[in-house]
Amino acid sequence: GNSVTQMEGPVTLSEEAFLTINCTYTATGYPSLFWYVQYPGEGLQLLLKATKADDKGSNKGFEATYRKETTSFHLEKGSVQVSDSAVYFCALSSGGTSYGKLTFGQGTILTVHP
Amino acid sequence: NAGVTQTPKFQVLKTGQSMTLQCAQDMNHEYMSWYRQDPGMGLRLIHYSVGAGITDQGEVPNGYNVSRSTTEDFPLRLLSAAPSQTSVYFCASSSTSGSSRQFFGPGTRLTVL
Repeated sequence: GNSVTQMEGPVTLSEEAFLTINCTYTATGYPSLFWYVQYPGEGLQLLLKATKADDKGSNKGFEATYRKETTSFHLEKGSVQVSDSAVYFCALSSGGTSYGKLTFGQGTILTVHP
Repeated sequence: NAGVTQTPKFQVLKTGQSMTLQCAQDMNHEYMSWYRQDPGMGLRLIHYSVGAGITDQGEVPNGYNVSRSTTEDFPLRLLSAAPSQTSVYFCASSSTSGSSRQFFGPGTRLTVL
């Protein structure tokens, strides 16, 4: 079956530091890949997505590249801000369907200090 | 546009009690789903629906029932609550065409004593 593995957290950084959150997946076919973010007390919001190999998703300074050869979709940001403190979830939708069921990683808590 | 709304925000139940978590969306989305979020486990799919009158089980359906009589509403029923159902529940919706984005509600925090 499908699975998503994220790096262990929590991650604590100083403002303006570089961020990487690793995500690897196991899936049949050609899944779509997503990063969702959950701010304190809120529901999840889509941060970025990629629907085929070598696609790069980007939003709000965050980037992730769909690497089929390494089955990875690592999230990066060059300079984090305090407002980026949240929980980040990597997820996949199998078969590339636009509304398919999501399989989530366990989430990574990010805390950014001034 | 309210998006996806969930009620209640918080609920405490005793073991064996029943209740319904409400979910509604005003975006005319065909697809709706329920997830539960537990520490260290991410979100797991409970039930989903691809349209009115059509529902199916997700990864962790036991102890939960759903129905979809309208496009807008997708309630989740706990018939006999158990402590293992203590969790945060999220409803989500998306269109079945074009965008692959799912919209999530704010969540319901349920505690079963």
